[in-house]
Amino acid sequence: EIVLTQSPGTLSLSPGERATLSCRASQSVSGSYLAWYQQQPGQAPRLLIYGASSRATGIPDRFSGSGSGTDFTLTISRLESEDFAVYFCQQYGTSPETFGQGTKLEIK
Amino acid sequence: EVQLLESGGALVQPGGSLRLSCVASGFSFSSYTMSWVRQTPGKGLEWVSAISSSGVSTYNVDSVKGRFTLSRDNSKNTLYLQMTSLRADDTAVYYCATGRSYYDSWGQGALVTVSS
Repeated sequence: EIVLTQSPGTLSLSPGERATLSCRASQSVSGSYLAWYQQQPGQAPRLLIYGASSRATGIPDRFSGSGSGTDFTLTISRLESEDFAVYFCQQYGTSPETFGQGTKLEIK
Repeated sequence: EVQLLESGGALVQPGGSLRLSCVASGFSFSSYTMSWVRQTPGKGLEWVSAISSSGVSTYNVDSVKGRFTLSRDNSKNTLYLQMTSLRADDTAVYYCATGRSYYDSWGQGALVTVSS
């Protein structure tokens, strides 16, 4: 199965700053079938990005995804208070679908 | 608004059985493939099982094959996950979710704890 490694494990930033989260796959992700989710404490994950770069319905445009092959990035252009959470990447190009271990975005 | 409401989570002994349910509303349930995804602090998020919109086809991760059975009742907008021969490493929060590939909508989760 494809292993996804997210970095950094924890990212400490201030509101208004730019966040860059990385997701690296152990082998090429077919069709750029890569999604990103945000999870707040005690809540279910929320879909942010699918197809590596397409924003899900209702997701603000400060969230953007990029990448292909084995390297993908989630960028949050200007952090707002509600953006501090855990972020997961997921590949769905090869069965079984697999998730990264997460990056915690915390307030500095 | 899409709503998914799981129920049935509980504490169960190793080797025991449990059935989770997920009631859907706010969308055309019978048109959607549905999945279960579980989450643990140690292993993170893991896709477990999926079922086609008609219920004819089901798919399972290797670790639950032969133990978990996914079914649906489209007349009741309800998804069921029958879990048997439960093991300690099945302990997790189980989410039902729309789709199989990426997951648009998620329920609030049901906690399953397997322990003696």
